[in-house]
Amino acid sequence: QVQLVQSGAEVKKPGASVKVSCKASGYTLTTYDIDWVRQAPGQGLEWMGWMDPNSGDTGYAQKFQGRVTITRNISISTVSMELSSLTSEDTAVYYCARVVLTIRRGVYTYYGMDVWGQGTTVTISS
Amino acid sequence: EIVLTQSPGTLSLSPGERATLSCRATQSVSNTYLAWYQQKAGQAPRLLIYGASNRATGIPDRFSGSGSGTDFTLTISRLEPEDFAVYYCQQYGTSLRTFGQGTKVEIK
Repeated sequence: QVQLVQSGAEVKKPGASVKVSCKASGYTLTTYDIDWVRQAPGQGLEWMGWMDPNSGDTGYAQKFQGRVTITRNISISTVSMELSSLTSEDTAVYYCARVVLTIRRGVYTYYGMDVWGQGTTVTISS
Repeated sequence: EIVLTQSPGTLSLSPGERATLSCRATQSVSNTYLAWYQQKAGQAPRLLIYGASNRATGIPDRFSGSGSGTDFTLTISRLEPEDFAVYYCQQYGTSLRTFGQGTKVEIK
């Protein structure tokens, strides 16, 4: 079945970087965008950025510009998100999600983030 | 950047009651690009509604979405015990997406 499987929990020190991976199975990675969303403890969902695995194009929320990098390795059907210069405010669960957007006769249809990874807990602690 | 504001922050209702959740955008959002998600504690979000009013696969018909422009609504016609959760609206943009801050539906 279609699923996204993320890498395991991480504990990092302030100032370090973390890289979280998201492996797709059950479909071809290059067919749909992958978005990254995070959720701090007790808080709501915060969108971080996206990648088109086919083209390698990316886009990032202004809040994370310069600190986040999304990459892909098509050969292993994996998209990764790296966040640098970590502070305690980056302690959160990080999710990847598949974004379904189709184009037919020039008309775009957004079908939502239909498959989510299980989440990766990243803890920043000195 | 389009900001989505959800109201109320918390909705206290009993099973069997009707829930009406609001999502208001700071600028017009195409119906096509508005989605709703449900999140239960300790779980990843689950897609409920896309295109403002289309139920995702496997979503019961007690969930419905409506609205256009800057005002959107998620309605749960009769709350079941498993519906008590947090709900988020989300808009899709070519280069930016945003979520609302969420509405918690709790048991009264």
